[in-house]
Amino acid sequence: AQSVAQPEDQVNVAEGNPLTVKCTYSVSGNPYLFWYVQYPNRGLQFLLKYITGDNLVKGSYGFEAEFNKSQTSFHLKKPSALVSDSALYFCAVRDTYTGGFKTIFGAGTRLFVKA
Amino acid sequence: SQTIHQWPATLVQPVGSPLSLECTVEGTSNPNLYWYRQAAGRGLQLLFYSIGIDQISSEVPQNLSASRPQDRQFILSSKKLLLSDSGFYLCAWSPTGFNQPQHFGDGTRLSIL
Repeated sequence: AQSVAQPEDQVNVAEGNPLTVKCTYSVSGNPYLFWYVQYPNRGLQFLLKYITGDNLVKGSYGFEAEFNKSQTSFHLKKPSALVSDSALYFCAVRDTYTGGFKTIFGAGTRLFVKA
Repeated sequence: SQTIHQWPATLVQPVGSPLSLECTVEGTSNPNLYWYRQAAGRGLQLLFYSIGIDQISSEVPQNLSASRPQDRQFILSSKKLLLSDSGFYLCAWSPTGFNQPQHFGDGTRLSIL
């Protein structure tokens, strides 16, 4: 079965410091990986995706993610955190096992950026 | 550009009352459509997805049903709400293809009294 795990419920970082939100995945076949962000009382917003190609993927709002096939990880990173980055972040993988119509989401990691 | 509209934003309903939440997508055709429920601001539970008109797949047996009467319209319904139906309901759409992300509406917060 395909799955995605976010091992941290919460990540705390000071403004201006680099941030990392961790994600590991388990898939059969090629992984189609995504990161989403959710602000309070809003829907999820797409940040970036890895399909193929360069292991470092750049996305919206200065975020990037590093795909590591040997470690089956897809960690979200940002060189310098902003207070406005505080939100709930979801890692996700496309469920190709059942035809690709569904997306499997992680449980989410809450990011707090302190001024 | 494509947009997704979901309404109402908030809803307070008594136990045993019916429910109808509506979601529409503009600017695209034949989208995949999804209904999720999110409890306590954490993980998403996929309720239904649809790959075409009148093609609905149910993920979790429950008190809810979904319909897709038009290509870009997705409706979530219940005949009699339970207390456990409270939550944040999100509609989403995606183009076909493994490499396509999902795009979410702003959700409906449903409270059952």
